[in-house]
Amino acid sequence: DTAVSQTPKYLVTQMGNDKSIKCEQNLGHDTMYWYKQDSKKFLKIMFSYNNKELIINETVPNRFSPKSPDKAHLNLHINSLELGDSAVYFCASSPLQRNTEAFFGQGTRLTVV
Amino acid sequence: GDSVTQMEGPVTLSEEAFLTINCTYTATGYPSLFWYVQYPGEGLQLLLKATKADDKGSNKGFEATYRKETTSFHLEKGSVQVSDSAVYFCALNNYGQNFVFGPGTRLSVLP
Repeated sequence: DTAVSQTPKYLVTQMGNDKSIKCEQNLGHDTMYWYKQDSKKFLKIMFSYNNKELIINETVPNRFSPKSPDKAHLNLHINSLELGDSAVYFCASSPLQRNTEAFFGQGTRLTVV
Repeated sequence: GDSVTQMEGPVTLSEEAFLTINCTYTATGYPSLFWYVQYPGEGLQLLLKATKADDKGSNKGFEATYRKETTSFHLEKGSVQVSDSAVYFCALNNYGQNFVFGPGTRLSVLP
């Protein structure tokens, strides 16, 4: 069974559209994250949720809205997509402990045309 | 805030060469330290970790030692293989709320 799964794996869409990326983890972790990886492979935290509560909200345009219906799911909705939103988006989860690692999904490659 | 610095590469080595990828960090308190690896088209996988000073993490021939005095966590492997070609990320976790990543180092190993 996949520990952290996100769908879709690839997403090609036109500027101005609204799209969602879904993420689910079956590890029983309390904390979930969204990271953005740009074309140079830099990984930047976007959001962090703990037990459905927003913990970290980095400087991200408010067109990006995370939603956590329960602690196993953290979805990312993006409104009015722009060319600069093209990137790979990774979902991850971890227990809320300092000494444990994060588990990552396979990523969603978003291309805005 | 917390940050991680690592050599960005790319690093190109011949098979069986010795590998070192430097990583240093800035953090308050006592973070845990990690190395992740990303193969082409895939997500990040944990390679190894260390949770306190002087701990050595090791896996698949890779190892790194948590050096608090130099705030470093350098990755080493004695003999690289073509299959080790990937992007390597150093990361820290401070009190569980966020994982901070370095910029990644692309490694290419030539046969």
